[in-house]
Amino acid sequence: DAGVIQSPRHEVTEMGQEVTLRCKPISGHNSLFWYRQTMMRGLELLIYFNNNVPIDDSGMPEDRFSAKMPNASFSTLKIQPSEPRDSAVYFCASSSRTSGSLSVKTGELFFGEGSRLTVL
Amino acid sequence: AQSVTQPDIHITVSEGASLELRCNYSYGATPYLFWYVQSPGQGLQLLLKYFSGDTLVQGIKGFEAEFKRSQSSFNLRKPSVHWSDAAEYFCAVGDGVRSGNTPLVFGKGTRLSVIA
Repeated sequence: DAGVIQSPRHEVTEMGQEVTLRCKPISGHNSLFWYRQTMMRGLELLIYFNNNVPIDDSGMPEDRFSAKMPNASFSTLKIQPSEPRDSAVYFCASSSRTSGSLSVKTGELFFGEGSRLTVL
Repeated sequence: AQSVTQPDIHITVSEGASLELRCNYSYGATPYLFWYVQSPGQGLQLLLKYFSGDTLVQGIKGFEAEFKRSQSSFNLRKPSVHWSDAAEYFCAVGDGVRSGNTPLVFGKGTRLSVIA
């Protein structure tokens, strides 16, 4: 089975440019999470969706960041304009806690391989 | 609010030696607890999880963890480390009470180095 798919794997851009990161969750999962990983702050939750609806975006750093989930199989995280301090690895994860076996309902997250963003 | 503390930033062990990575959590009710492993350039892979029942949980790659409610701990162990275990290890806590999907809160990770 295909896991969580993220693109691009690597992105190098210049300050001020728009960056769009993409995520395809595991089919049948109804929740999607965007995390950011840096050396200083570790793994931080940016935003998450349940059934395509944003539930908590309090982790989004500022208005330059936006995320959408137009359907159950696709989400984007956009940074506009990008700044050097946005350089990080961005992970998308999905889960399905509301259906399936009890084991599945523990809320285990399935992660993509991440998008490494470098803003020069 | 939930929180996770991994006191050790970096641990070095010899191949074949035993390993214990510490994890303490803060959560008011029954937590769901997880250990993930991240190899360089990769995403996070689940090693094991605890949600109910036996407090000693077995995972993949020969890892186990023990949930100790009185100590708010969920330490990860392996009796004999292999060089391929060198990676970053993350402990995470989830909401075991609320229904519906909620995010996991992660510790800052422990980097494991394995020497010959």
